[in-house]
This record gives sequence, C-alpha cells and structure tokens, in this order.
Amino acid sequence: QQQVKQSPQSLIVQKGGISIINCAYENTAFDYFPWYQQFPGKGPALLIAIRPDVSEKKEGRFTISFNKSAKQFSLHIMDSQPGDSATYFCAASMRSGFQKLVFGTGTRLLVSP
Amino acid sequence: SQTIHQWPATLVQPVGSPLSLECTVEGTSNPNLYWYRQAAGRGLQLLFYSVGIGQISSEVPQNLSASRPQDRQFILSSKKLLLSDSGFYLCAWISRGYNSPLHFGNGTRLTVT
Repeated sequence: QQQVKQSPQSLIVQKGGISIINCAYENTAFDYFPWYQQFPGKGPALLIAIRPDVSEKKEGRFTISFNKSAKQFSLHIMDSQPGDSATYFCAASMRSGFQKLVFGTGTRLLVSP
Repeated sequence: SQTIHQWPATLVQPVGSPLSLECTVEGTSNPNLYWYRQAAGRGLQLLFYSVGIGQISSEVPQNLSASRPQDRQFILSSKKLLLSDSGFYLCAWISRGYNSPLHFGNGTRLTVT
C-alpha cells in the first residue's frame, strides 16, 4: 500500500513533442505528490508538486494532472527540449506528521533533437 | 540559503572494508535528515531517517547503519561492505515546515569490488 507505480521505464520523444509520464498510488492517505528531475551524476531536484485538492498544476512547460478517484497522477512536458533529457521520479507522501516520500522507479526521458 | 554537502562523490571499496559517508546541511536548524539508495531500475529506496540528534530510524534491514552526532550532520556507515552495497547514495533534508520540499545532495557513487 506504500508503493507508487511509475510508467514507462523509458521514453523517447522528439524535440517539440509532449512527454507524458504516469504514476499510480494505493494509499489514500497520501496528500502530497511531487515530481523530481535528475540529471546524470546529480541528486534529484524538485520539479513541481501538487496537492489533491486541485486536478492540475502548471509551471511553465511542466504540468501535473491529478485524478483522485483513480489514484493516478501524471507529468506532462510540453514542447519537450533536449535539455529535458533526464530521469524523472514521481513520489507521494502524507504531509502531516513526519514527511517520508515514497518514490516511483523512475522514467528515463530522452528528447531527440 | 540552505545547502547540503555530501562526500565523497565517488568511492571504490573492496568487499569487507568499512564505509563512512558524510552529509552536512547548512543554513537551517533541526532538519529531518534522510539517507536514500538508488539502484538502477529500482528508484529511490529510503534507508534511514532522523528527526534529531541521536534519533535514527531504519527502513530496511541491511548491512548499513546511520548516526547523527550533530544537528546538521548525518553519517552512513558499514563495518564490512558487501558487493550488494554498491549503488548511488543520496542524503536529503527537509525543514520543519508544512510545505517544505525534500532537498537532495549530489550523492556518492559507491562501487564495492
């Protein structure tokens, strides 16, 4: 019940296209859903996050879509660029009490020029 | 501003040797501290977390231990490394605010030979 399932494992998108990464969770107590971006040899960095009281959050070219009833959330990268090539992790946690993020297994995104 | 320092960046150790990885956080007080391990295709696995000096919680039974001798210092150790301990180890911190994100260091790539 603590798992977060992420797909696909890898993704190749052409420059200018839309990248979509999906995640699903089981624990209905989760109320914080961040996405992290990781470049090779670096630690993950927070990209964007959403709480379940909204269905969508947009920051620049990055959008999180959240479906509470389906217990799913996704990251959309519009107008994907070669500089977006990285590994993306979804995560979930309960914000109340002790914060302990549960991560998905990651998606390696390659944006071809 | 807050920063996190993690060292060394890379480490090659023989099987059976001891391990000590260190992490320090600057610019914040009384953070929650975490050690994660990242293995290929397996996402980020939480190993240990700490809510204060001397307070360590273990998530996964293993060959590793953690200590927090000072408020902003977190150490990951092993008395005898196993081949299976190879991986990318990440220290992270979060401040005690409701909307605080989790911040990662740049990790240590450990290869046990």
